Order: sequence, then C-alpha cells, then structure tokens
Amino acid sequence: NAGVTQTPKFRVLKTGQSMTLLCAQDMNHEYMYWYRQDPGMGLRLIHYSVGEGTTAKGEVPDGYNVSRLKKQNFLLGLESAAPSQTSVYFCASTAAETRTDTQYFGPGTRLTVL
Amino acid sequence: SQQGEEDPQALSIQEGENATMNCSYKTSINNLQWYRQNSGRGLVHLILIRSNEREKHSGRLRVTLDTSKKSSSLLITASRAADTASYFCATGHDSWGKLQFGAGTQVVVTP
Repeated sequence: NAGVTQTPKFRVLKTGQSMTLLCAQDMNHEYMYWYRQDPGMGLRLIHYSVGEGTTAKGEVPDGYNVSRLKKQNFLLGLESAAPSQTSVYFCASTAAETRTDTQYFGPGTRLTVL
Repeated sequence: SQQGEEDPQALSIQEGENATMNCSYKTSINNLQWYRQNSGRGLVHLILIRSNEREKHSGRLRVTLDTSKKSSSLLITASRAADTASYFCATGHDSWGKLQFGAGTQVVVTP
C-alpha cells in the first residue's frame, strides 16, 4: 500500500496563476482533509470531505476550492494564487469508523507563490 | 486560531535522557493526539488519549491529560537520535475528526 500520496511535491507559481494539488489514498478511507503548515505554526485545516461528492470548509478556506469526485482522490485548487498561499500543504485521510482517532498524512507539497 | 500551545518551542537533549513537552488547549475536547514530524516529511500519529483518560503508555511514550487544567504532556523516555523531530499535539472536538494543532516542539537528540 502506498498510503497517502500527494502530487506534485514542489511547485512554484506566479501571483494570479492557478493550480491543482492532488491527494490520493489507497486505504479506502471515507474522510479526507487538506491542511496548510506555515513556519512556526501548526497545521490549519483548509477543507475536508466525509465522502465522495461531499466537501466542507475548515478553518482557513478562503482562496481554495476542493473536489471529491472519486473516493480515493481529494483535489485542492487555487484559482488565483497569492503570495500568502506560500506554504506546505498536507493531505490526510481516515476511515469513517476511526475518524476521531488516527489521521494518516501524505508527505506534503511545498508551494511557493512569487 | 490555534487551539493548542506547546511548551517548550525547542528542546535539546542527549541520548538516553528523557524529553518532556507540554500542550495546553482552550476549549473542551473529545481527545488529544500527539504526532511526530521528521524534517520535510508528513506527520505520523504517535498516541491518542481520550477526554475520560488520565494517562496512556505506548512503548517509550507516556501521555498524561489533565482536563481541569486543559493540558497534556508527552514524555519520551531514554531518547535516541532517531527521536529528533518536531512533535505536535492536536485536539479533537467533534465527530467529523477535525483536528486543531499546536505550533509544535522541536526536539533535537544528540548522540
């Protein structure tokens, strides 16, 4: 099992450009989450999904959109990137029956917006 | 806003010593979890303690929870160089599994 994978690992964007980050998990998990991590801070929840076709806002959703068309994939989109979105983005997943327990994290995507 | 605050921000110890870090939070919780992050990697779940528990052990890890003080501590006994990492506490508050993370404690264990 690959667990949780993220694509790409690194990306540099110019202000105003758009991009999509892909998170994929092969554990058949229902719940998936997108976080961002900024220097000196813990992870902050951007959006999450409790199942295919459903998404909800987290703590810092502005400037991001998400989609969960397939159970195994959770996409995070930036329509018009801003320097404030420079961060490391982590995806996580968990099974519905253990959703209040362990989350399994991907390796992260380091995004720089110039 | 961040729920958890961790203390100390950084900790430097020698192999064989114990490492203790603390986490304080603001609102009531369902559970509190500790994660480890090695440099440039994703987070790895270490241990979970529920709001009705006071202490849990897992290998060299010992977690305590004091809900009256809204605080938790993580003790790593007999530290090894491989324990060098950042450690984060995360609090769970609802049935959706959403977590709120602290800023982390950076631990360096020197041989």
